[in-house]
Amino acid sequence: SQQGEEDPQALSIQEGENATMNCSYKTSINNLQWYRQNSGRGLVHLILIRSNEREKHSGRLRVTLDTSKKSSSLLITASRAADTASYFCATDANTDKLIFGTGTRLQVFP
Amino acid sequence: NAGVTQTPKFQVLKTGQSMTLQCAQDMNHNSMYWYRQDPGMGLRLIYYSASEGTTDKGEVPNGYNVSRLNKREFSLRLESAAPSQTSVYFCASRSSGANVLTFGAGSRLTVL
Repeated sequence: SQQGEEDPQALSIQEGENATMNCSYKTSINNLQWYRQNSGRGLVHLILIRSNEREKHSGRLRVTLDTSKKSSSLLITASRAADTASYFCATDANTDKLIFGTGTRLQVFP
Repeated sequence: NAGVTQTPKFQVLKTGQSMTLQCAQDMNHNSMYWYRQDPGMGLRLIYYSASEGTTDKGEVPNGYNVSRLNKREFSLRLESAAPSQTSVYFCASRSSGANVLTFGAGSRLTVL
């Protein structure tokens, strides 16, 4: 079974609103990453947070990590239509493998 | 700088046919990965290679074989394709000491 599951599966918002998506995972990790996938394309890395970090920022992105609950959240502030994509979390489970979650499809309406 | 290159981009097979998906990276990365992506399932790891000469099974290895031909190339072979292998396949690579994957554009495979 997959290591991570994102919630919600789909999210629709208006431009300017914030988008929050959550990821839960099953085993201990070294780090957790978030990736973005535009329709029909490969995945692109967004941000990485290490297991000893609780929060990280990159531009309009804010990621939190709660290792006691085995969960992470990705917040996109002031969303734009160009943020429309699928977002995936990925964890390494302390191995060379990187296991992805099921993804959240974000739709941002102009 | 091409990054990760996958071929072919599209392929249609009949049940029982065989084919090989090719992947090459020009970033001198040590680790390479093959994933499949199905609707509602996210990405699932098929096989990976932590370094040249080594390969390991991922979450869904059945029906597939891989070859790490050299440091640049990692191929995925379907010996006898089945309709359940209809999917989009992604190759990715990662340098040692780094955790971030670089993905190819994907190969869409349909098995009739």
